[in-house]
Amino acid sequence: GDSVTQMEGPVTLSEEAFLTINCTYTATGYPSLFWYVQYPGEGLQLLLKATKADDKGSNKGFEATYRKETTSFHLEKGSVQVSDSAVYFCALTTPQAGTALIFGKGTTLSVSS
Amino acid sequence: KAGVTQTPRYLIKTRGQQVTLSCSPISGHRSVSWYQQTPGQGLQFLFEYFSETQRNKGNFPGRFSGRQFSNSRSEMNVSTLELGDSALYLCASSLEGARETQYFGPGTRLLVL
Repeated sequence: GDSVTQMEGPVTLSEEAFLTINCTYTATGYPSLFWYVQYPGEGLQLLLKATKADDKGSNKGFEATYRKETTSFHLEKGSVQVSDSAVYFCALTTPQAGTALIFGKGTTLSVSS
Repeated sequence: KAGVTQTPRYLIKTRGQQVTLSCSPISGHRSVSWYQQTPGQGLQFLFEYFSETQRNKGNFPGRFSGRQFSNSRSEMNVSTLELGDSALYLCASSLEGARETQYFGPGTRLLVL
């Protein structure tokens, strides 16, 4: 079945460091790909999305490119801030699944000043 | 525009009881989906409602049910609670023309004792 695999955390970085969180997927057809972020005690916020191959999603300095040849959607940010500390989830949905998102296990990011 | 709201935010129940959670979607959003988040299983899709009809369902036992009202508000019910039902229950809403982009509420944290 469809699935998402993302790198295990926690990821610990210093402020202004470069961030990469790896995400790969398995899906039939042409999934849409997402990154969500969850701050402590809160629900999920959509960070960025890409709906077709080679699309690049970007928001708040974060970027991810939909790579169909490597079935990947890695999240990157050039310079992280303490306020970026949160749990990041990679997710997919397919046209057949409608709104049913399939999530990875989540990666905890901790940024220190 | 107000976001997705969920009530109550916290709930404590005992085994065998039943519980009802409520979700009010963003104004104009007619699709409402529910997810369960636990440390062990991560984020899992429960079901989706649209126009008062269940349109999609995840792999959960029949103790988990839901409904949607004509104003798009949705409720989720869990009967005969088990310890393993302790979780954060998240509701998400979306526009029919953009179902893959979901906006999440803050969640209801349920503790079953």
